[in-house]
Amino acid sequence: AQRVTQPEKLLSVFKGAPVELKCNYSYSGSPELFWYVQYSRQRLQLLLRHISRESIKGFTADLNKGETSFHLKKPFAQEEDSAMYYCALKVGYQKVTFGTGTKLQVIP
Amino acid sequence: GVTQSPTHLIKTRGQQVTLRCSSQSGHNTVSWYQQALGQGPQFIFQYYREEENGRGNFPPRFSGLQFPNDSSELNVNALELDDSALYLCASSLLLAGAMITQYFGPGTRLTVL
Repeated sequence: AQRVTQPEKLLSVFKGAPVELKCNYSYSGSPELFWYVQYSRQRLQLLLRHISRESIKGFTADLNKGETSFHLKKPFAQEEDSAMYYCALKVGYQKVTFGTGTKLQVIP
Repeated sequence: GVTQSPTHLIKTRGQQVTLRCSSQSGHNTVSWYQQALGQGPQFIFQYYREEENGRGNFPPRFSGLQFPNDSSELNVNALELDDSALYLCASSLLLAGAMITQYFGPGTRLTVL
């Protein structure tokens, strides 16, 4: 069965510092990986997906199949990045498994 | 956008509940998730063009419907205390299996007493 692990419940960084939110997955096939974000009092939204190889709001994520990781990175944290971040794994067309989330707190 | 109703709901154990979602116009897929406090969303099931095409580890008392008018329902029978959670619907456009866009609703908070 597939599983997504986000080892940190809370990550605190200073404004301007680099950010790395960790995500590890277990799945033997070729997965689709996503990052979702939920800002305070807002709904969950898709941030980025590995197949697009995109950078959204300065965030990037690279799929490392050897290490089964999909860490989310940003070189310089901003206060508006403070939010809850979820990593998710999609198998086939349907089943999506979310991690338990990491709360990012950017300290001014 | 994606809307859900009601916002909050209180039921007692053993009762039945229907939650509703209005999808983004033009989207062909709706997924439902259960999010317990402090946890990530858990996939319940997905409907593509009005047919269930994927299901998570939830018992049959969780069922759903998707209608042609961009609306959908999640029905839960024989409510249990552990069903207390935030229920999210997500509206997506899938093309050739790839998710093009996805939007979540604000959720319905269900409390079972």
